[in-house]
Amino acid sequence: NAGVMQNPRHLVRRRGQEARLRCSPMKGHSHVYWYRQLPEEGLKFMVYLQKENIIDESGMPKERFSAEFPKEGPSILRIQQVVRGDSAAYFCASSPAAGRANTEAFFGQGTRLTVV
Amino acid sequence: SQQGEEDPQALSIQEGENATMNCSYKTSINNLQWYRQNSGRGLVHLILIRSNEREKHSGRLRVTLDTSKKSSSLLITASRAADTASYFCATDSGGSYIPTFGRGTSLIVHP
Repeated sequence: NAGVMQNPRHLVRRRGQEARLRCSPMKGHSHVYWYRQLPEEGLKFMVYLQKENIIDESGMPKERFSAEFPKEGPSILRIQQVVRGDSAAYFCASSPAAGRANTEAFFGQGTRLTVV
Repeated sequence: SQQGEEDPQALSIQEGENATMNCSYKTSINNLQWYRQNSGRGLVHLILIRSNEREKHSGRLRVTLDTSKKSSSLLITASRAADTASYFCATDSGGSYIPTFGRGTSLIVHP
C-alpha cells in the first residue's frame, strides 16, 4: 500500500506562471489536507477536501489559489500567477475519515515550489 | 493562529540521553498527534493520543496528555543520532478534525 504520493517533488516557476501540485492519497483514504511550510516554521493549514467537495478552505488565500479533489484522480492545488512569496514546501496529507475515531493523517514528501 | 506550541524550540543532547519535548494548546481537543520531520523531508506520523487517553507508548517513544493543563509531552528514551529531526505536535478540536500544527522543536542528538 503506497503512501501519500505528491508530484512533482520540486517545481520551479517564473513569476506570473501557474503552478499545479498533485497529491494522490493513500488507498482507501477519502480525505485530503493541504499545508504550506515556510523555512524554519511549522505547517500552516490551507484546505481540507473530501471527494468532489471542499470542506474547509479557511487557510487558503482567496485569490490565485484553488484546490480540487475530483471523483477520479489526484487532488490538485493550483496557484495562478505565482509570486516570490509563494515559494515554500507544500504538503498533502490524507486520512480515511474525520471524526472522533482514530484518524491519523499521513503526509506525502511534499512539493518544493521555487518562484524565480 | 497556532493551536499547539512546542517547547523548547531547540534541544541539543548526547546520544543515549533522553529527550523531552512539550506541546501546549489553547482550546479543548479531540486528538493530539506527534510527527517527526527530517530536514527537507515529509512528516512521519509517530503517535496519536485521544483526549480521553493519558499516556501512550511506541518503542522508545512515550507520549503523555494532561487535558487539565492543556499540554502534552513527547519523551524519546535512549536517543540516537538518527533521532535528529524536528518534532511537531498537531491538535484537532471541535467539529473540525483538521490537524493544526505548532512551530516544532528542533532536536539534535550528538553521536
